[in-house]
Amino acid sequence: AQSVTQPDIHITVSEGASLELRCNYSYGATPYLFWYVQSPGQGLQLLLKYFSGDTLVQGIKGFEAEFKRSQSSFNLRKPSVHWSDAAEYFCAGKGTDKLIFGTGTRLQVFP
Amino acid sequence: EPEVTQTPSHQVTQMGQEVILRCVPISNHLYFYWYRQILGQKVEFLVSFYNNEISEKSEIFDDQFSVERPDGSNFTLKIRSTKLEDSAMYFCASRDDSNTEAFFGQGTRLTVV
Repeated sequence: AQSVTQPDIHITVSEGASLELRCNYSYGATPYLFWYVQSPGQGLQLLLKYFSGDTLVQGIKGFEAEFKRSQSSFNLRKPSVHWSDAAEYFCAGKGTDKLIFGTGTRLQVFP
Repeated sequence: EPEVTQTPSHQVTQMGQEVILRCVPISNHLYFYWYRQILGQKVEFLVSFYNNEISEKSEIFDDQFSVERPDGSNFTLKIRSTKLEDSAMYFCASRDDSNTEAFFGQGTRLTVV
């Protein structure tokens, strides 16, 4: 069955530190992959997406993600975290027409 | 920039009552979706809708749920007889026919008391 796994429920980093949020997928073919961010009480904002081509994709707010087929991963990275990045991050995959979300990673940023 | 609009932002209803959650998708989009997120949990697919019919639905989307596109602009989710466990954030999404990403609304928080 298609699935998306985010192994880290909660991550805490200091402001200015680098960040990597993990995402693993299980799909038969190459899925479309997405990262969304959700601030408290807010909706889902698309950070970036991967459909095909260059496996390193750039997104908004300084985020990037790398698709690694050999590891079935699509990890989200940011070189220097800002306090405003504190939020819930969801990885999602699309095989058929619907999105399958991971359970999310809550990012906390300390000053 | 066009966006998906959902109303109301928050709805409180008594158990057993019917609720209708409303969404205005982006105007040239053809595919419509409802997802829900129970507090503290992941976002779950409910239903997809295309060409005036349901194209796929999840196990969550039982007979208590229905969707409709009544007038060519709105896309509604109706819950016939709400239960406490229906309390969640409900997200509407839409996309065009290029099979790229779906755009999400800001959500309606439904609280069943």
